[in-house]
Amino acid sequence: DTGVSQDPRHKITKRGQNVTFRCDPISEHNRLYWYRQTLGQGPEFLTYFQNEAQLEKSRLLSDRFSAERPKGSFSTLEIQRTEQGDSAMYLCASRKGETQYFGPGTRLLVL
Amino acid sequence: DAKTTQPPSMDCAEGRAANLPCNHSTISGNEYVYWYRQIHSQGPQYIIHGLKNNETNEMASLIITEDRKSSTLILPHATLRDTAVYYCIVGSNYQLIWGAGTKLIIKP
Repeated sequence: DTGVSQDPRHKITKRGQNVTFRCDPISEHNRLYWYRQTLGQGPEFLTYFQNEAQLEKSRLLSDRFSAERPKGSFSTLEIQRTEQGDSAMYLCASRKGETQYFGPGTRLLVL
Repeated sequence: DAKTTQPPSMDCAEGRAANLPCNHSTISGNEYVYWYRQIHSQGPQYIIHGLKNNETNEMASLIITEDRKSSTLILPHATLRDTAVYYCIVGSNYQLIWGAGTKLIIKP
């Protein structure tokens, strides 16, 4: 099964540290999304790429967050100077047609 | 804010049909209705989507009212593994706005 993969699956960090997450989409999908999900809530859209171009960013994406998709394949999401409020599940999805396929997520805990 | 309204929770007996309602009264003409589900601690899983017509696939059926202001997801023979949070979402192009979903519990 060559679905969407995310790495790491879990990350514990101390407040103020930087963290980086990776997403590998399904290979023929040119659209890639990042979401954040907190307990009891649905996923919140963060940003969207078509190939290597970042076409949309949510207002939720503060200047401490940056995402890249340098060659239009895998993507990284970096959070600088983490805060306790950044603790959440970070989900990546890739899209074919009208369907988004999600990875298993990276669960971040900021202490 | 999410564009959909769903009951926060529902129960269904194993083997029976589970009917999950969703209201989306402000849906616009080019917006699809999507259903995803999320089993605890996993990423969301696509179930089905539709624009105007009713749709059916191997997982479920989607019934959209003629005015498109509401829809129902039908799981024809619910199993214990169908216990999950079910999200009804409307949107188009790149951005889907998710609500809190319906927690469906299948009981033996």
